Amino acid sequence: KQEVTQIPAALSVPEGENLVLNCSFTDSAIYNLQWFRQDPGKGLTSLLLIQSSQREQTSGRLNASLDKSSGRSTLYIAASQPGDSATYLCAGLNAGGTSYGKLTFGQGTILTVHP
Amino acid sequence: DGGITQSPKYLFRKEGQNVTLSCEQNLNHDAMYWYRQDPGQGLRLIYYSQIVNDFQKGDIAEGYSVSREKKESFPLTVTSAQKNPTAFYLCAGRQRNTGELFFGEGSRLTVL
Repeated sequence: KQEVTQIPAALSVPEGENLVLNCSFTDSAIYNLQWFRQDPGKGLTSLLLIQSSQREQTSGRLNASLDKSSGRSTLYIAASQPGDSATYLCAGLNAGGTSYGKLTFGQGTILTVHP
Repeated sequence: DGGITQSPKYLFRKEGQNVTLSCEQNLNHDAMYWYRQDPGQGLRLIYYSQIVNDFQKGDIAEGYSVSREKKESFPLTVTSAQKNPTAFYLCAGRQRNTGELFFGEGSRLTVL
């Protein structure tokens, strides 16, 4: 059974800092890994999607990497801003077997960027 | 306007009543998902469907039921058998070629 863990559970940083959020998964047979952002009381917004054949994806100040062999993904946020404050979640899409098509989420990292 | 549409946004239910949450999509997604989120916790998979007229149980399917009669629609019924139904419910659709997941805005169910 796929298990996804996110570290740290919460992070508070001053504005302008670069930061790294971590996501680890137990089953390397994933089709892709996706990072999301969730604001309080809202749905999830897709940030970056990394296919299993890729090693990283970039969008603006965000960069996500994927290392299937070690079961890890990281989300790098450059020059953080107060508007980045939210919960960040990662999810792996299972590639095959009885869990094909199933996505498993981590518990999320609550990020607070203070001015 | 397109995407994943969930309704209602807020719903109150008395104990012992069934309630159905709507999820509609116009993105031509084959696969659709229902997740439950409790305060301070991640998302837990209730049911998912990869094609019309087919669906699979997720990790916490007890007390819930779904149907997938049309590609565009994947309603979730929270039955009276669900012992702790108060939660935030999220529906999602998955794009076929990339596997990217897109979410609706969620439905918050409160049992009085």
